[in-house]
Amino acid sequence: DTGVSQNPRHKITKRGQNVTFRCDPISEHNRLYWYRQTLGQGPEFLTYFQNEAQLEKSRLLSDRFSAERPKGSFSTLEIQRTEQGDSAMYLCASSLDSRGYTFGSGTRLTVV
Amino acid sequence: KNEVEQSPQNLTAQEGEFITINCSYSVGISALHWLQQHPGGGIVSLFMLSSGKKKHGRLIATINIQEKHSSLHITASHPRDSAVYICAVGSNYQLIWGAGTKLIIKP
Repeated sequence: DTGVSQNPRHKITKRGQNVTFRCDPISEHNRLYWYRQTLGQGPEFLTYFQNEAQLEKSRLLSDRFSAERPKGSFSTLEIQRTEQGDSAMYLCASSLDSRGYTFGSGTRLTVV
Repeated sequence: KNEVEQSPQNLTAQEGEFITINCSYSVGISALHWLQQHPGGGIVSLFMLSSGKKKHGRLIATINIQEKHSSLHITASHPRDSAVYICAVGSNYQLIWGAGTKLIIKP
């Protein structure tokens, strides 16, 4: 297991398009988290899964954002009708309960 | 007042110097994390602490639960240590992040 894997590493999209990111956590980790980090800021919590159940969503996650973890393994984060303000680094992390917190390298989204 | 405070915000030092970064928090926590982020890079977890002290190579992290304070030390600092160091405290399911300390080590 090589850690938390995120794809793609970079995504450039036109305003109004939909984008989907994928996160593959460490296989035995039951928790998966999505964060967003804009330039010069610390990461902001977006959402959290315990196995396949999405247990918490930040108010930052507008209706244009949806996340899934269908089989309790990998997760996808979709942004519909992207806006320039969505440009950020999207970080995924996983843990076994609250232990072994591990981050992926992130997906950098640029909306033009 | 932020729930997690880091100091200093910026630190520039010469290669070989002993570095200390401090973190104070005001919430109840299950664990405290020290993380490293290089410019444009992802986040690397350095330590997760719930008590005492941990050491990994030239890095040492300590936590005082009673005083709600943690420190990250770097011995014999090197230019490749230049990065942003972030303190984050774990409370239930999410991490509460400090603003980070930007460290520059000059050769």
